[in-house]
Amino acid sequence: KAGVTQTPRYLIKTRGQQVTLSCSPISGHRSVSWYQQTPGQGLQFLFEYFSETQRNKGNFPGRFSGRQFSNSRSEMNVSTLELGDSALYLCASSPNPGQGGHGYTFGSGTRLTVV
Amino acid sequence: DQQVKQNSPSLSVQEGRISILNCDYTNSMFDYFLWYKKYPAEGPTFLISISSIKDKNEDGRFTVFLNKSAKHLSLHIVPSQPGDSAVYFCAAPTGGTSYGKLTFGQGTILTVHP
Repeated sequence: KAGVTQTPRYLIKTRGQQVTLSCSPISGHRSVSWYQQTPGQGLQFLFEYFSETQRNKGNFPGRFSGRQFSNSRSEMNVSTLELGDSALYLCASSPNPGQGGHGYTFGSGTRLTVV
Repeated sequence: DQQVKQNSPSLSVQEGRISILNCDYTNSMFDYFLWYKKYPAEGPTFLISISSIKDKNEDGRFTVFLNKSAKHLSLHIVPSQPGDSAVYFCAAPTGGTSYGKLTFGQGTILTVHP
């Protein structure tokens, strides 16, 4: 079965711009979570979505937002980009929410570079 | 506040020897831990987990040990193989297993030399 698909794989943006990243979960998976990976910080939780509702939010500024559609696909948006937003953004899907990491399948990520 | 810490950024071992990756945590409410492996240009993949009611869990060449009093866990890989070269993350679910948020350590880069 197809895995978690994240698009685009690579992105270069200029400071002040905004960006939208997309995540298509595994078919049948209804929960999507987003993580930011930066060197030295590991993976940091951004949000968790289920049934088009945000269940959990990490400690990120309001410039980071997301949503989930009725087909479980999810997007995240970062507005007014800063250099520090350069990171690998990972999406994980799971059959149901709140499984504590079990059943998580991660996508390969979107590498965002802000210049 | 880094609640899950991996203090060794990198580890280098010889093929066939043991690799020991360490992880410390500060939140005594954590009751479940997971290890993920990540290759470049790929997402993390689940490796092994342990519940706080156990002090050891084995899966083939991989064993995770949990020392609750020290708030410390370790992943042992025996014997190490070149294909094990990757970044390893330990993680804990916030609020027990009923929540989807994982708190990750910073990761340890393991290099296994042939």
